[in-house]
Amino acid sequence: KAGVTQTPRYLIKTRGQQVTLSCSPISGHRSVSWYQQTPGQGLQFLFEYFSETQRNKGNFPGRFSGRQFSNSRSEMNVSTLELGDSALYLCASRVGGQGKLFFGSGTQLSVL
Amino acid sequence: DQQVKQNSPSLSVQEGRISILNCDYTNSMFDYFLWYKKYPAEGPTFLISISSIKDKNEDGRFTVFLNKSAKHLSLHIVPSQPGDSAVYFCAASPRETSGSRLTFGEGTQLTVNP
Repeated sequence: KAGVTQTPRYLIKTRGQQVTLSCSPISGHRSVSWYQQTPGQGLQFLFEYFSETQRNKGNFPGRFSGRQFSNSRSEMNVSTLELGDSALYLCASRVGGQGKLFFGSGTQLSVL
Repeated sequence: DQQVKQNSPSLSVQEGRISILNCDYTNSMFDYFLWYKKYPAEGPTFLISISSIKDKNEDGRFTVFLNKSAKHLSLHIVPSQPGDSAVYFCAASPRETSGSRLTFGEGTQLTVNP
């Protein structure tokens, strides 16, 4: 069974631009979550989608948004990029509302 | 407000010895705890979990201990192997069924020396 797939693996953008990251969950998994990892900050929860609905949202500005498609694939978008948005963005999936999360390898975003 | 805290950014252990990684939490609503391991350039992988109805859970070389009164949990790795060298994250959620919102600690870099 294929794991969680995130694309692209690396991304370089400049301030003010916007970016879209993609995540394909494990087959059969309906819940997709996004986390941001920065050095010294651990993993910060961004949002969670289940059956195309946002079920939970972390404390991030409205520049961070996401969506989930009917096939459970998810995208997150960051508009008007700031230098502080440079981070590893991790996607995770699970079957439903419980159980452990399975993480992808992440998208490393650098904002110059 | 850091609700899950791993006070040791790094830990160095000799191969074959015990590694003990610690984690403290402040939110008394946390009921389910997990440990993840992360290698560079990879996503975190699940190691072991424990529910608050237990005080210990074992899986091979990995054991997690939970002390609810002290709001403290620890991960023991015995014996430690060089392949265990990675960043270990502690995570917590209010209930096992509460969904994907896990609160993570900052991580502890474990180095196991041959």
